[in-house]
Amino acid sequence: SAVISQKPSRDICQRGTSLTIQCQVDSQVTMMFWYRQQPGQSLTLIATANQGSEATYESGFVIDKFPISRPNLTFSTLTVSNMSPEDSSIYLCSVAGRLSYNEQFFGPGTRLTVL
Amino acid sequence: SQELEQSPQSLIVQEGKNLTINCTSSKTLYGLYWYKQKYGEGLIFLMMLQKGGEEKSHEKITAKLDEKKQQSSLHITASQPSHAGIYLCGADESGGGSNTGNQFYFGTGTSLTVIP
Repeated sequence: SAVISQKPSRDICQRGTSLTIQCQVDSQVTMMFWYRQQPGQSLTLIATANQGSEATYESGFVIDKFPISRPNLTFSTLTVSNMSPEDSSIYLCSVAGRLSYNEQFFGPGTRLTVL
Repeated sequence: SQELEQSPQSLIVQEGKNLTINCTSSKTLYGLYWYKQKYGEGLIFLMMLQKGGEEKSHEKITAKLDEKKQQSSLHITASQPSHAGIYLCGADESGGGSNTGNQFYFGTGTSLTVIP
């Protein structure tokens, strides 16, 4: 298993500002994923972040809005840029299991409220 | 993209009772995953089903995938307060192996409360 921490756990931000969410893993992992869970909706994959390469974004998500960094095998950041109230959501990072990509482990999430 | 419907949205049961949570897809599932989340914690992987008709058990939790690979059920026998939490099904749409990694889509979750 993997232990994942996220910072901040929650934040309240003003419209038009940006917030960077950090994700730290206690072991080296190849693949990290960023999800969003909007109120009343299912978890939605934003992008896949592999160390040493550009993040791969899902349909509806673009790098200018959600830039991602992956400087090493234990850390990643997701920035929510130029925020609007529609960005209010829980943001989760997750990692694939080392032995099998059929497992995923999730961080506790970052609860973002945009006013 | 995959759309997964989960039912019920919430469930309140007396300790010791059995319960079932369903997950239905409009598409064939290459892989169906069940997760559990307790408040303030990350999602915990429970089990994965890949083959039509497959059934897996872990302690008092049994998950099944139907033959058409479009519906899965999670059954808890003799529920306990420790079973309380949010249960999420997730699907792998890619059908890829370990070289491609998996991209996941999730249902809306089922909130389970077990009353002692």
